[in-house]
Amino acid sequence: QVHLVQSGAEVKKPGSSVMVSCKTSGGPFNSYTINWVRQAPGQGLEWMGWIIPFLGTPMYAQKFQGRVTITADKSTSTSYMELNSLTPEDTAMYFCARLAQGNDFDYWGQGTLVTVSS
Amino acid sequence: DIVMTQSPLSRPVTPGAPASISCRSSQSLLHRDSTNYLNWYLQKPGQSPQLLIYLGSNRASGVPDRFCGSGSGTDFILKISRVEAEDVGVYYCMQALQAPFTFGGGTTVEIK
Repeated sequence: QVHLVQSGAEVKKPGSSVMVSCKTSGGPFNSYTINWVRQAPGQGLEWMGWIIPFLGTPMYAQKFQGRVTITADKSTSTSYMELNSLTPEDTAMYFCARLAQGNDFDYWGQGTLVTVSS
Repeated sequence: DIVMTQSPLSRPVTPGAPASISCRSSQSLLHRDSTNYLNWYLQKPGQSPQLLIYLGSNRASGVPDRFCGSGSGTDFILKISRVEAEDVGVYYCMQALQAPFTFGGGTTVEIK
């Protein structure tokens, strides 16, 4: 059974950075694109970007270009999402999700709450 | 970017009654391979989203057959034949035709 396990909740100051990890277990890592999706409190889902571990190539939503970095460590089957220059508007639950053959997210992490507050 | 629009915003349902949710995209999600790149997810309270339907009409593993996805091009529908208490939550459609992937605003299904 595939599991995506994310790192724990974070509290950050405005202007700082946060890094969230997502470890895949129970299934292959290299050949599945890992996506990052966020959800502000009481709001909908917003796609941030992805990485193809096999190639190491990321793609980012225009909104986050220049502020987000998504990486993958094949040796530990872990993807990382780093978001810089945090503002209170970045307070959200951050999810990782695996992209399956049908271009669907078949497995999701449990979510990591990032709170940005002074 | 492809804009996804869902309706209604909220859907109160009596247990055992049917329910349907509409999703419309700002451009066709029909790929030249004849596949509609439209997925449906359910986010139960306090949980991560879970996949219900992929490629427009295919039920994900373990999804009850009371869930049915249909549609093509720009107009899609998710139907629940008989709503059960465990079906409450927010339903999202998502286009996976091209990056950036985009989601509808969500439809909350609640029990009357």
